[in-house]
Amino acid sequence: QVQLQESGPGLVKPSQTLSLTCTVSGGSINSGGYYWSWIRQAPGRGLEWIGNIFDGGSPHYNASLKTRLSISIDTSQKLSLRLSSVTAADTAVYYCARDEGPPTSYFDLWGQGILVTVSS
Amino acid sequence: SYVLAQPPSASVAPGQTARITCGGDNIGSRSVHWYRQKPGQAPVLVVYADSGRPSGIPERLSGSNSGNTATLTISRVEAGDEADYYCQVWDRDRGGVFGGGTKLTVL
Repeated sequence: QVQLQESGPGLVKPSQTLSLTCTVSGGSINSGGYYWSWIRQAPGRGLEWIGNIFDGGSPHYNASLKTRLSISIDTSQKLSLRLSSVTAADTAVYYCARDEGPPTSYFDLWGQGILVTVSS
Repeated sequence: SYVLAQPPSASVAPGQTARITCGGDNIGSRSVHWYRQKPGQAPVLVVYADSGRPSGIPERLSGSNSGNTATLTISRVEAGDEADYYCQVWDRDRGGVFGGGTKLTVL
């Protein structure tokens, strides 16, 4: 059974870079033809899609975050997220999710999420 | 940019039918997906591609999509259906687009 697990620092200082990793267990990130997405949820707010990537392909970013964002799949087959110049507005629970991919693109499997707080 | 509109809240008595709407310009031409999120938990896909049901989701949950409105219908509502529900589409320009969410209260 495929499972996703986010990891990374729970506290990031303003203006620094938020870095998270998503580990896929019970399966491979490069099998099944799936995309892999990052989604976040600010406290008490709704869901916001951050971006996605297909192994071996170029990432696709939310336009509002594009200038600060990097999503990649590293050599150990882990999904990573880097968001630079963070502010308090980036405080959120960050989820990684398996993405069926365009044009349908729904998220059928989610990690448990990791709360990242931006504060000095 | 494409926007999805959901009512912020809905309420229903146990055993009744809940209908949660998701409005968007010509949303009937798009594929709509629905998620359930309970407090402190990750969202769970409950309907995909307008009316598909993932494994493990009961038949009481169903979806439809036409014109400018997609609808998630929950029949024979139970206390355990109380949650936030989000609709979602894929937009060529914006990527993943979510509605603002509807908090369903079971009276």
